[in-house]
Amino acid sequence: GIQVEQSPPDLILQEGANSTLRCNFSDSVNNLQWFHQNPWGQLINLFYIPSGTKQNGRLSATTVATERYSLLYISSSQTTDSGVYFCAVDPTGNTPLVFGKGTRLSVIA
Amino acid sequence: GAVVSQHPSWVICKSGTSVKIECRSLDFQATTMFWYRQFPKQSLMLMATSNEGSKATYEQGVEKDKFLINHASLTLSTLTVTSAHPEDSSFYICSAILTPPNEQFFGPGTRLTVL
Repeated sequence: GIQVEQSPPDLILQEGANSTLRCNFSDSVNNLQWFHQNPWGQLINLFYIPSGTKQNGRLSATTVATERYSLLYISSSQTTDSGVYFCAVDPTGNTPLVFGKGTRLSVIA
Repeated sequence: GAVVSQHPSWVICKSGTSVKIECRSLDFQATTMFWYRQFPKQSLMLMATSNEGSKATYEQGVEKDKFLINHASLTLSTLTVTSAHPEDSSFYICSAILTPPNEQFFGPGTRLTVL
C-alpha cells in the first residue's frame, strides 16, 4: 500500500518563529489533507490540498503531486500551534485516509 | 465547515461489558464513515469502513465480532465494543466523507478505559 512519511518527527520552536513540515508519499493520490491534533485529541482540518497552494492565515500548504510531496508552512508560531500535525492521503478517492506518523510541534514562549 | 460528533467523549467500563460509541455527521449526509483507533503517541490506524445500508469492511487483524459496526442512516454510524477487555482501552475516532470534494472530517474521539 501507499506509504506516507513525515518530517521532522519532532520540532521545538520559539514563539514567533517560522517552520516547514514535509510529507512525502509513495504513489499518486486523489486526496491529501493536513490536520492538527490538539491536546484533547481532536483532529482539526487544516487543508484539503491534493495539488497546488492554499493559505489560511498564518498557515499555508503546497502539494506538488507530480513529485509526491506536500509542505505545510507555519509562520509566526504561537503556543496554541503546539500539538501533532498529520498528513494523510487517499490514493483513489472516497477511500480511507492513510496517515503519516505525524510531526510533534512544541512552541515555547 | 462540516461537523462530526461522537458520543460519549469518554467512558470507563468493567471488563466483560459492552460499550457503544455513536458517530454522527451533523450538517451533511455521509454514505461512508470510517472508524480509527489511536494509541498514545502513535498515529491513527484504520479499523473499518462503515457503509450505510451494508456490512462494514474490516481491516486485517480487526475482529468483526468484537467491534460491531452499524451504519443505520446517512448521518449515524455506531461502534460497539463487545466484551471489552483492558487491551481494548484506546482512543477511538470516527470520520465521515463530505462529497464533494471527498474531504474527510473527524469526530472529537472517544476515550475508552476498560478496568
